Amino acid sequence: GAVVSQHPSRVICKSGTSVKIECRSLDFQATTMFWYRQFPKQSLMLMATSNEGSKATYEQGVEKDKFLINHASLTLSTLTVTSAHPEDSSFYICSARERLGVDSPLHFGNGTRLTVT
Amino acid sequence: GQNIDQPTEMTATEGAIVQINCTYQTSGFNGLFWYQQHAGEAPTFLSYNVLDGLEEKGRFSSFLSRSKGYSYLLLKELQMKDSASYLCAVSPNSGGYQKVTFGTGTKLQVIP
Repeated sequence: GAVVSQHPSRVICKSGTSVKIECRSLDFQATTMFWYRQFPKQSLMLMATSNEGSKATYEQGVEKDKFLINHASLTLSTLTVTSAHPEDSSFYICSARERLGVDSPLHFGNGTRLTVT
Repeated sequence: GQNIDQPTEMTATEGAIVQINCTYQTSGFNGLFWYQQHAGEAPTFLSYNVLDGLEEKGRFSSFLSRSKGYSYLLLKELQMKDSASYLCAVSPNSGGYQKVTFGTGTKLQVIP
């Protein structure tokens, strides 16, 4: 089955620093990947859609200058949280569809738990 | 816009059957996903319904009524490991890569 790998699984950083999270599709190519954020006891909230070779599409209320997304290849998307603050502490999860078409399920990475101190 | 409703929490007994409901109101609809998410982990895919009716996969079944904007996930022969959150998610439109909108999730607790 389709596998999405996300790294790191946990990261603790100091306020004001930047953190990069990587998302890789291991056995399929993904022209589009999705980045979600999940706060405790809440559902997944889509942050942005990462498009290979072009700019990401951000959801309303998500600061594109703060959450930098790069999708440089068909198997790798990165999310960089810049100038992190404690309120950015959350569970970040990437996902991708194995094939084109809305009936293709999203496959999720294992998530990255970010703690900003 | 998208509006997806699920009960927040449910409790059921090991060995029993539980039904988790999901209602949706969306501006466009192609199908509905169900995902399982254990605490601290990423969601895993359970099912996808496009057509009306019941689809069975082992202990798990999923039902969809497009006209009523309603779906449910049925879990049979409950096991302790089924304790998790169950998320329904709507795939809004056909064609291309369309974003999926998730409900708030139903936290299921299975008790002995």
